[in-house]
Amino acid sequence: GAVVSQHPSWVICKSGTSVKIECRSLDFQATTMFWYRQFPKQSLMLMATSNEGSKATYEQGVEKDKFLINHASLTLSTLTVTSAHPEDSSFYICSAPGAPATGELFFGEGSRLTVL
Amino acid sequence: GDSVTQMEGPVTLSEEAFLTINCTYTATGYPSLFWYVQYPGEGLQLLLKATKADDKGSNKGFEATYRKETTSFHLEKGSVQVSDSAVYFCALIHVSGNTPLVFGKGTRLSVIA
Repeated sequence: GAVVSQHPSWVICKSGTSVKIECRSLDFQATTMFWYRQFPKQSLMLMATSNEGSKATYEQGVEKDKFLINHASLTLSTLTVTSAHPEDSSFYICSAPGAPATGELFFGEGSRLTVL
Repeated sequence: GDSVTQMEGPVTLSEEAFLTINCTYTATGYPSLFWYVQYPGEGLQLLLKATKADDKGSNKGFEATYRKETTSFHLEKGSVQVSDSAVYFCALIHVSGNTPLVFGKGTRLSVIA
């Protein structure tokens, strides 16, 4: 099946710094990628939909200036957490639909962010 | 909007016990239904899926049947193993283009030897 890879898997940073998470589709092109956030022992919450070549669509309550999403190519989307604070500590997961569309999403391994 | 409701966890079972995790959904039209599994420290993996009413998805001994009349997609396994310990997520999607999955809250399963 299609492979989606995220990097880094783990990142620890100081409060106030920015962190970039990359999401790559390794063997297929993804015009759309979805970024989810998962709090401990909770479900995945959709943060935003990343669209290649255009602006991302953010879900209600997600600060677009804090969570910057760039989808500059058909195989790469990035999520930058700007001026991170401890409350941003979470597990961030990207996913992309396969082609042709079957409904199945392929998920990256996830990136665990810890802000000190 | 669309939503998925799963039974609350955690669920603790002895090895070889029967497993049922309930899942019901609210959606317009005819969504596709999925069960995803998240093993400790890992990302999400597709466990099984069903794309239309009365379809039965199955994988690794797990089964779920798409019941439109009851809007349900309950996950079952006849004999669980310790290696099945994980968090299970029920999800739906409308296959009308590039749309995101809507997830249930997840059910944590612990199987003890």
